[in-house]
Amino acid sequence: QSVLTQPPSVSAAPGQKVTISCSGSSSNIGKNYVSWYQQIPGTAPKFLIYENNKRPSGIPDRFSGSKSGTSATLGITGLQTGDEADYYCGTWDSSLSVLLFGGGTKLTVL
Amino acid sequence: QVQLQESGPGLVKPSQTLSLTCTVSGGSITSGNYYWSWIRQPAGKGLEWIGRIHTSGRTSYNSSLKSRVTISVDTSKNQFSLKLISVTAADTAMYYCARDHPALECWGQGTLVTVSS
Repeated sequence: QSVLTQPPSVSAAPGQKVTISCSGSSSNIGKNYVSWYQQIPGTAPKFLIYENNKRPSGIPDRFSGSKSGTSATLGITGLQTGDEADYYCGTWDSSLSVLLFGGGTKLTVL
Repeated sequence: QVQLQESGPGLVKPSQTLSLTCTVSGGSITSGNYYWSWIRQPAGKGLEWIGRIHTSGRTSYNSSLKSRVTISVDTSKNQFSLKLISVTAADTAMYYCARDHPALECWGQGTLVTVSS
C-alpha cells in the first residue's frame, strides 16, 4: 500500500474533464513539491507536471496540477482517447528521505 | 535533447548481483544541477524509487533497499550505474533510469530484469 493514495481508476467521456487526486501527509505533500507522470501501457512514464502546477514544454494546457495542504490534484480537460493511461503522482518525503509515488490511477476515456 | 538508455543482463540468478548501466547522450552527465535516478516497476504494479546520485557524487537510497543498493557514476563514459546485491524473485521488474530535477523529467525506455534460476 502506497504512502500516497490515488484512486485506482477514473473514467470520463471524450471531451469531458477528469480530476485525479493524490493524498499524502505533512511529511511529503505537505512539505514538498508534487509532480505527475503519465504512463501509456508498454512505455516509460512521461513527465507531465512539476512543482505542483508547472507544465514542461510540449505538455498541452489541457493538463493542470494543483496542491492544497496534504493533497494534490491532476486535472485533464478536453479528454482524448490518447489520454488513456496510468497516472502517478510523486513527491519527496522529508521524514523517510525517499521519493514516493502514488499507487497510480488508470484513466479510461469511454 | 538529452536521452537515456539502460543496458545490462535481462536475466539474473537468485542471490547474485543485478548490474545495470544508464548511458546519457545529448549532454554531459556533469553539467547542471541534476540528480540521476533509478526507478523500477514490477509487471502490473506501480513505480518504486530505488535511489539517485547527484552530479556532486552524493547519493540517496530507498531505505527499503539501502543495504543492497549502490549507485555510482562514470563521468568519463557519461554513464551512471546500479548494483543490487542478493537478488530474489521480488526484484524482477522493469528498471528505468531518469534525470531528476526538478522532477523525473527525462526517462530511459526501461530494461526488463528477471530473477530466475
